[in-house]
Amino acid sequence: SQQGEEDPQALSIQEGENATMNCSYKTSINNLQWYRQNSGRGLVHLILIRSNEREKHSGRLRVTLDTSKKSSSLLITASRAADTASYFCATAAYSGAGSYQLTFGKGTKLSVIP
Amino acid sequence: GAGVSQTPSNKVTEKGKYVELRCDPISGHTALYWYRQSLGQGPEFLIYFQGTGAADDSGLPNDRFFAVRPEGSVSTLKIQRTERGDSAVYLCASSEQGWGTDTQYFGPGTRLTVL
Repeated sequence: SQQGEEDPQALSIQEGENATMNCSYKTSINNLQWYRQNSGRGLVHLILIRSNEREKHSGRLRVTLDTSKKSSSLLITASRAADTASYFCATAAYSGAGSYQLTFGKGTKLSVIP
Repeated sequence: GAGVSQTPSNKVTEKGKYVELRCDPISGHTALYWYRQSLGQGPEFLIYFQGTGAADDSGLPNDRFFAVRPEGSVSTLKIQRTERGDSAVYLCASSEQGWGTDTQYFGPGTRLTVL
């Protein structure tokens, strides 16, 4: 079952604009990770944020986490055509088998128009 | 260093056949994960190895699916009596420490097509 749900499902912006994607989840988590995927193949890890963290930055990326609202957001500033991809949030929740299991949402498809 | 690699990149098989998919994790990574991704969906967890042992196999859909990691490095996902519904991209990931608490690095995937 889907734990994380991204919003919006699709987003189209002009190059240079900022892109914001949101993720909501249902259960307590150990961490939340954002990934990028091009052409339906391998995922590229972007940022991992732990449940006791509120915000993390990496280059043009900014991730926030609000555990009280069970939500996270990914902001990409000054977008480029090369940022065109699908973005997934994945939540690590306790599986009951002694470890945390990563569950992905359906993703947000971002199109950056040159 | 080298990332996670998966072979083959594409596999076409006929319904009822047996297939093996291979994953080479990042050297030194203790944990290895298998996921399956259908078109338009996010990856779905299948199984997780900590070292040589399967620590969590709760995502395997049925007993036609089996995975091994005999020496704690390379892993093979085995699917018996393939069905058309098994068609998907199979992704492998590895992480340094495991237990689902650290960054998972993904391979490029194997696209399995069952005719």
